Amino acid sequence: QVNLLQSGAALVKPGASVKLSCKASGYTFTDYYIHWVKQSHGKSLEWIGYINPNSGYTNYNEKFKSKATLTVDKSTNTAYMELSRLTSEDSATYYCTRSYTEWGQGTLVTVSS
Amino acid sequence: DVVLTQTPPTLSATIGQSVSISCRSSQSLLHSNGNTYLHWLLQRPGQSPQLLIYLVSRLESGVPNRFSGSGSGTDFTLKISGVEAEDLGVYYCVQGTHAPPTFGGGTKLELK
Repeated sequence: QVNLLQSGAALVKPGASVKLSCKASGYTFTDYYIHWVKQSHGKSLEWIGYINPNSGYTNYNEKFKSKATLTVDKSTNTAYMELSRLTSEDSATYYCTRSYTEWGQGTLVTVSS
Repeated sequence: DVVLTQTPPTLSATIGQSVSISCRSSQSLLHSNGNTYLHWLLQRPGQSPQLLIYLVSRLESGVPNRFSGSGSGTDFTLKISGVEAEDLGVYYCVQGTHAPPTFGGGTKLELK
């Protein structure tokens, strides 16, 4: 069955970067866009952007354009999201999703010195 | 960005009760291609969201038919006909008609 397996929780210092992964299985990776969604603690959801795994084309929410970079590695069916210049506002759970039909388990990112 | 306003923010229900959640959009969600990209998600405590309803009223595979969606334009409703214990959690509407996709603030369904 379709599965999106995300990397484990990360504790990172302010100003640093972190790269999250989302490994897809159970379907043809290049057939579906991968979206990334942010959920701050106890709050609603924000769409960060998506990547077309076939072409590498990306589309970002303006709010996250200078924060997030989406890439894929087709050889390992893995999507990545790198978050840069982290601040406390970036502390959240980040989900990858295959167009809302399948979701990863989420990666908790905590930004703290 | 399109603002989705969900009401009520919290809903208390007994098992077997029927309930409805409203999602109102700041703009019409009817796309020029004729589709309305309004979907409903459920996030159970400690879990990832899951898709319940897509394109306003289409039931995602495996979702019980006690869930139904309706609406058009700017007003949409999710109905649960006979709440079960496994339905507890936070419900979100999400729109994909206008860029960027946006989510409602959520409606928390609790047991009374």
